[in-house]
Amino acid sequence: EVQLVQSGGGLVKPGGSLRLSCAVSGFSFSEYSMHWVRQAPGKGLQWVSSISANGPHMSYADSVRGRFTVSRDNARSSVFLQLNSLRAEDTAVYYCASYSYSGWSLDQWGQGTLVTVSS
Amino acid sequence: QSALTQPRSVSGSPGQSVTISCTGTFSDVGSSNYISWYQQHPGKVPKLIIYDVSKRPSGVPDRFSGSKSDNTASLTISGLQPDDEAYYYCSSNAGPSTLLFGGGTKVTVL
Repeated sequence: EVQLVQSGGGLVKPGGSLRLSCAVSGFSFSEYSMHWVRQAPGKGLQWVSSISANGPHMSYADSVRGRFTVSRDNARSSVFLQLNSLRAEDTAVYYCASYSYSGWSLDQWGQGTLVTVSS
Repeated sequence: QSALTQPRSVSGSPGQSVTISCTGTFSDVGSSNYISWYQQHPGKVPKLIIYDVSKRPSGVPDRFSGSKSDNTASLTISGLQPDDEAYYYCSSNAGPSTLLFGGGTKVTVL
């Protein structure tokens, strides 16, 4: 059974930092790109970042580029999202996600973790 | 990186069909074969129901179908059921390294 188990998240002040983790089991982690998607309270889905299978290629949404950093550790089957210079508008549930059908179709999702940016 | 455009809501009676549109540009929907659709019930994780424009993942009923014409993708739900009441999101890649989502459509079963 495929599982994506997230940790991290919580309440942080504006300008602060946070690190999200996503531990994966049940599939060949090192062969798949990984994505981060967020959803602000009462809002829609927004793609945040992705990292290629072997890690050399990272992509970011314009709204987070330069503040967020995605990384992965294939030996630990884990992907991470470092959130720096956080703003109120970064408040959201963050999901890690991956795919088994097609690279841009996300059928494997973590449970989500809430990041709240507030003073 | 603008979100794809979806209607805010659609509704239908049980047994009827509804269609949700997802409009982008030539740079994303118009040039992509990687259109996906997700169903999300309140408080739940999104569920993939269509990928690669019109393919269904294992376990998704054939009442759900997808298509694309030019810069607009569409999701049709046939034989509407009460459990279909949810939010639906489209997505498309925009080039080799960016994924866009639509703003979401609430489907109401009357």
